[in-house]
Amino acid sequence: KAGVTQTPRYLIKTRGQQVTLSCSPISGHRSVSWYQQTPGQGLQFLFEYFSETQRNKGNFPGRFSGRQFSNSRSEMNVSTLELGDSALYLCASSPYGGVYNEQFFGPGTRLTVL
Amino acid sequence: TQLLEQSPQFLSIQEGENLTVYCNSSSVFSSLQWYRQEPGEGPVLLVTVVTGGEVKKLKRLTFQFGDARKDSSLHITAAQPGDTGLYLCAASHNYGQNFVFGPGTRLSVLP
Repeated sequence: KAGVTQTPRYLIKTRGQQVTLSCSPISGHRSVSWYQQTPGQGLQFLFEYFSETQRNKGNFPGRFSGRQFSNSRSEMNVSTLELGDSALYLCASSPYGGVYNEQFFGPGTRLTVL
Repeated sequence: TQLLEQSPQFLSIQEGENLTVYCNSSSVFSSLQWYRQEPGEGPVLLVTVVTGGEVKKLKRLTFQFGDARKDSSLHITAAQPGDTGLYLCAASHNYGQNFVFGPGTRLSVLP
């Protein structure tokens, strides 16, 4: 099986712009979660989508949004970019959730905001 | 607020040595996972533990979930340079959803 893919791998934007990141989960996986990773805050949960519905949400401002399509692919959007949004954005897919919710991470998109 | 603490923050050892890293919280979790992350890559899941007192082994790695499900440890026997990486623990209150990650232990194994 192909792993989780994320595009683009690297992105440079300026303050005030918006950005859309894409994640293709492992075939058959219905849950996609997004995380932000920074040196100062570590890995922080953004949100999770399951069968096209947002099931869980972390503590991030409304500038961060996402969606999931019927083929389970997911996109994450950040509007009005701030310097502090510079981070590695990771998505993780899992088959169905549950207590053994085994998450498989993609390589991430490195976003730099200038 | 960091709900999960990991110690030590950094660890540098020689090949062949043994080591233990820890993940602690004041909260009770329904499940806990350990990941290893290498530079430029996403974290890779090593193990999931759900039962208090549970011990799982993965080759030279031994994982233990505390009896009260508030803490966990990862023990590596005879460390190798390939074990180098950032070790992250992640825990869930609600059965596999809303995982919270610890800050990680950065391990360096020198040949």
